[in-house]
Amino acid sequence: QKEVEQDPGPLSVPEGAIVSLNCTYSNSAFQYFMWYRQYSRKGPELLMYTYSSGNKEDGRFTAQVDKSSKYISLFIRDSQPSDSATYLCAMSNFNKFYFGSGTKLNVKP
Amino acid sequence: SQTIHQWPATLVQPVGSPLSLECTVEGTSNPNLYWYRQAAGRGLQLLFYSVGIGQISSEVPQNLSASRPQDRQFILSSKKLLLSDSGFYLCAWSKTGLNQPQHFGDGTRLSIL
Repeated sequence: QKEVEQDPGPLSVPEGAIVSLNCTYSNSAFQYFMWYRQYSRKGPELLMYTYSSGNKEDGRFTAQVDKSSKYISLFIRDSQPSDSATYLCAMSNFNKFYFGSGTKLNVKP
Repeated sequence: SQTIHQWPATLVQPVGSPLSLECTVEGTSNPNLYWYRQAAGRGLQLLFYSVGIGQISSEVPQNLSASRPQDRQFILSSKKLLLSDSGFYLCAWSKTGLNQPQHFGDGTRLSIL
């Protein structure tokens, strides 16, 4: 079983839709959770960084962590064509980092 | 603010040739440095990480090596490239300390012919 599972998509939505991206994990020792956005032929860019269970909001982005279910989500409100990218979840346990394989999102104008 | 530079952006090399990819970080001291390879649909594979000058940990035995000759410089090398070394190579840095998020460069797309 992989440490981190993420649906590869692609996920296609119309502009303005609310997008939900998700990851599940198996190791209850993970402490910190991250979401990265990666445009084609570019490196991943850190979007959100959270520690505890609950929600963290930054503009149109909300990261949600449910440690009891080992499930994290990223919500994007009022999605824009510029949000079209691959989104990777990541989590860490001390200095070991584990990345999901990414979900490709396409927001259609 | 901190920035990370990685070059070249694209590289085409023949099988059996040597390799040197360079990564430098600006605006921070004593960062942790990482080399990853990203394969399509398979996520990020950690190759090497370093917590200080001359300190390199290898995660996956392979045809590659890494060196950190200066605090903010990280180099990925190979003496003889294999076809299987093709891929997208990413350098990343993080602040010293546990669970610090990593920040990535824009990568090098390496094609072996």
